[in-house]
Amino acid sequence: AQKITQTQPGMFVQEKEAVTLDCTYDTSDQSYGLFWYKQPSSGEMIFLIYQGSYDEQNATEGRYSLNFQKARKSANLVISASQLGDSAMYFCAMRDPAYSGAGSYQLTFGKGTKLSVIP
Amino acid sequence: GAGVSQSPRYKVAKRGQDVALRCDPISGHVSLFWYQQALGQGPEFLTYFQNEAQLDKSGLPSDRFFAERPEGSVSTLKIQRTQQEDSAVYLCASQPPSGISREQYFGPGTRLTVT
Repeated sequence: AQKITQTQPGMFVQEKEAVTLDCTYDTSDQSYGLFWYKQPSSGEMIFLIYQGSYDEQNATEGRYSLNFQKARKSANLVISASQLGDSAMYFCAMRDPAYSGAGSYQLTFGKGTKLSVIP
Repeated sequence: GAGVSQSPRYKVAKRGQDVALRCDPISGHVSLFWYQQALGQGPEFLTYFQNEAQLDKSGLPSDRFFAERPEGSVSTLKIQRTQQEDSAVYLCASQPPSGISREQYFGPGTRLTVT
């Protein structure tokens, strides 16, 4: 069974500073995908960044980068130059790679980290 | 363009009542997922559709939960005889048809409160 662990229930960061949100995962599969989503108070899950298990380069999307350490099974999210609008819940998720013919690519989520950006 | 929409946004039900939650996915997205998010937790998978076919319902917590997508677009999640433990946010997500690395696009969710 897959498992995502986010050990930081809450984090604070000063505006314009960088912050790292931790994520470790557990899977016996060789092929998998890792995602980070942002959930503001409005409730909608917003996709931030994706890393495939076979991707050699760490993923980057604007101010977001993913520090992927496959041997350690970690996929930490780095947000550079934090903005007040970055205050939200952040979820790490893994795509279930099992393809039994049903083709279900459900996501398994961690419990999330609440990020608060201080002016 | 229009994103995933869900209705109602908020629903209060008395214990024992039946509820129906609606999801309108992004046009052209063949895959549709339902997730349940309890307070302070991450979303948990309930069920998955590819077009009108329900290919995975392994996450439905009991036979009181039923989902359908009869024409391969709009989906409805129905909960019969609601219980207090059903109180949660129900999220719907859709996914484009090409590339398994593509992200899922989520709706705003329906917050269900069972009293």
